[in-house]
Amino acid sequence: EAGVTQFPSHSVIEKGQTVTLRCDPISGHDNLYWYRRVMGKEIKFLLHFVKESKQDESGMPNNRFLAERTGGTYSTLKVQPAELEDSGVYFCASSQVQGGTEAFFGQGTRLTVV
Amino acid sequence: RKEVEQDPGPFNVPEGATVAFNCTYSNSASQSFFWYRQDCRKEPKLLMSVYSSGNEDGRFTAQLNRASQYISLLIRDSKLSDSATYLCVVKPRRGSTLGRLYFGRGTQLTVWP
Repeated sequence: EAGVTQFPSHSVIEKGQTVTLRCDPISGHDNLYWYRRVMGKEIKFLLHFVKESKQDESGMPNNRFLAERTGGTYSTLKVQPAELEDSGVYFCASSQVQGGTEAFFGQGTRLTVV
Repeated sequence: RKEVEQDPGPFNVPEGATVAFNCTYSNSASQSFFWYRQDCRKEPKLLMSVYSSGNEDGRFTAQLNRASQYISLLIRDSKLSDSATYLCVVKPRRGSTLGRLYFGRGTQLTVWP
């Protein structure tokens, strides 16, 4: 069974540009999460989808970040316009609907804003 | 104050050594606790959940002290393959859905031959 997949694995963009990250969760996992790790810091929560609905978006840093999950399958995270401080590794994770005690992570997208 | 605090290390130990990692959490109402392992430039993976009574999985033993808000991980008979970053992870809320998790910065372990 395929795990959580993320695309692209790396992205280098200039300040002010737009980048869209994609996450495909494990099939059947209604819960989808975005996390981010900035260099030297801990992994931090961004938001949580249950199917296509945003359950918790309290971790989104500002309105330059937009996450969507149309149809409740894959999700995208768009950063527009990107700033230098947005650089980091963006992880997507998914978990089962009920009783899931494990979050399954993708390998992450390493974003560098120059 | 951070939700989860960990000593970042690094810990450098020889094969066969016993090593212990500690972590503290700030929210006394936190519900569930985990240790994740992350290899270099890879994704975090669940190593084990931490139960109130303590639990063991082979060479790994996890302990929880709710009164002190303290979690530990003990690795016995260290192997080269144990080299990784160990992340202390806390689920703050009740509920059957996993939900938001809080991560420590991780403790880096290197096991040398």
